[in-house]
Amino acid sequence: SAVISQKPSRDICQRGTSLTIQCQVDSQVTMMFWYRQQPGQSLTLIATANQGSEATYESGFVIDKFPISRPNLTFSTLTVSNMSPEDSSIYLCSVTEDTQYFGPGTRLTVL
Amino acid sequence: KNEVEQSPQNLTAQEGEFITINCSYSVGISALHWLQQHPGGGIVSLFMLSSGKKKHGRLIATINIQEKHSSLHITASHPRDSAVYICAVRRSGNTPLVFGKGTRLSVIA
Repeated sequence: SAVISQKPSRDICQRGTSLTIQCQVDSQVTMMFWYRQQPGQSLTLIATANQGSEATYESGFVIDKFPISRPNLTFSTLTVSNMSPEDSSIYLCSVTEDTQYFGPGTRLTVL
Repeated sequence: KNEVEQSPQNLTAQEGEFITINCSYSVGISALHWLQQHPGGGIVSLFMLSSGKKKHGRLIATINIQEKHSSLHITASHPRDSAVYICAVRRSGNTPLVFGKGTRLSVIA
């Protein structure tokens, strides 16, 4: 099994600022997935992060807005840049091993 | 039309009732997941299915590959089962999951 931690667990940010979310896995994984869950909605994939290569972004998400780092096989960061209230969501990282594992999420509120 | 459809969207049950949540999908898949999300936001994988039926405690999950349909059953429901239950499918390999919109279950004592 995989244990995933995320930091911060929640934050309240001002419009126009940026927040970097960290995701740490207790085992080495090839792919890490970043999801967004807007209030009352299901999960939407932002991007897939592979170690040693550029992240692959889904339609509607761009690197300038959501830059991702993947420096090694156990760690990744997602930055939400130039935030607006529409970015208020829960952001989750996830990995696949024997099954799917999710981090506890980062609850972001943008004022 | 979403690739993954769940029903019902919301469900309220009395404690002890037998509960069924349905999931239909429109693409070929390698696996289907049932996930549970509690109000705090954490998501736990309950089952991963590629065929047949799995049981864990009071939870049972079935899948019919030909009909592209899966069900999650909860026997002897309890208020602690109150959560959002999400169906998600994987098309192949390590491709990302595609999620249904979830079923919000409330079990009343």
